[in-house]
Amino acid sequence: AQTVTQSQPEMSVQEAETVTLSCTYDTSESDYYLFWYKQPPSRQMILVIRQEAYKQQNATENRFSVNFQKAAKSFSLKISDSQLGDAAMYFCAYRSTDSGWGSGANSKLTFGKGITLSVRP
Amino acid sequence: DTGVSQDPRHKITKRGQNVTFRCDPISEHNRLYWYRQTLGQGPEFLTYFQNEAQLEKSRLLSDRFSAERPKGSFSTLEIQRTEQGDSAMYLCASSPTTGGIGYTFGSGTRLTVV
Repeated sequence: AQTVTQSQPEMSVQEAETVTLSCTYDTSESDYYLFWYKQPPSRQMILVIRQEAYKQQNATENRFSVNFQKAAKSFSLKISDSQLGDAAMYFCAYRSTDSGWGSGANSKLTFGKGITLSVRP
Repeated sequence: DTGVSQDPRHKITKRGQNVTFRCDPISEHNRLYWYRQTLGQGPEFLTYFQNEAQLEKSRLLSDRFSAERPKGSFSTLEIQRTEQGDSAMYLCASSPTTGGIGYTFGSGTRLTVV
């Protein structure tokens, strides 16, 4: 079974600065997907960024980028130019690729425990 | 389409009562997932539907839990004989069949068992 570990329970960053959130995972699969989700207080979970394991290029979405190290099974999220609205819980998640055409088997997400990010004005 | 809708947003029930939650996914998404999230933790997988077929259930889903998705549209999650340990946020998410695309989550139903 796959596991996702987020060892930092909390982090804090000054507004406009850069912060990196760490995530490691364990799997025996060679192809899979990795995600970072953001969950603001009392609000729904939002997809921040995704990475396909077979792609060597790190994913980037505006101020958000990842450092994907497949051999080390590490998937960190870098937030540049931090804004007050970035304050939230951030979850790293793992998903297997579909094992059969369209069957969706193993399509569930496995989440880490999350990290609470605060942004200081 | 306004995204994934969950009803109710909050539910307070007495121990031993039955509760039912509803999830309306994005209409073109044929996959639907239920997760449970306790305070300060990541969501834990409960069960998954592709269209009307329930394809996977977690060991977390005890005999008191049942989920349905008639006609492959909305889904219901029922908890019978609720216990205090059932208090949590119950999240629903949907996704299209094409793999690798992240889910769209609903706002969740917060259950408090007193």
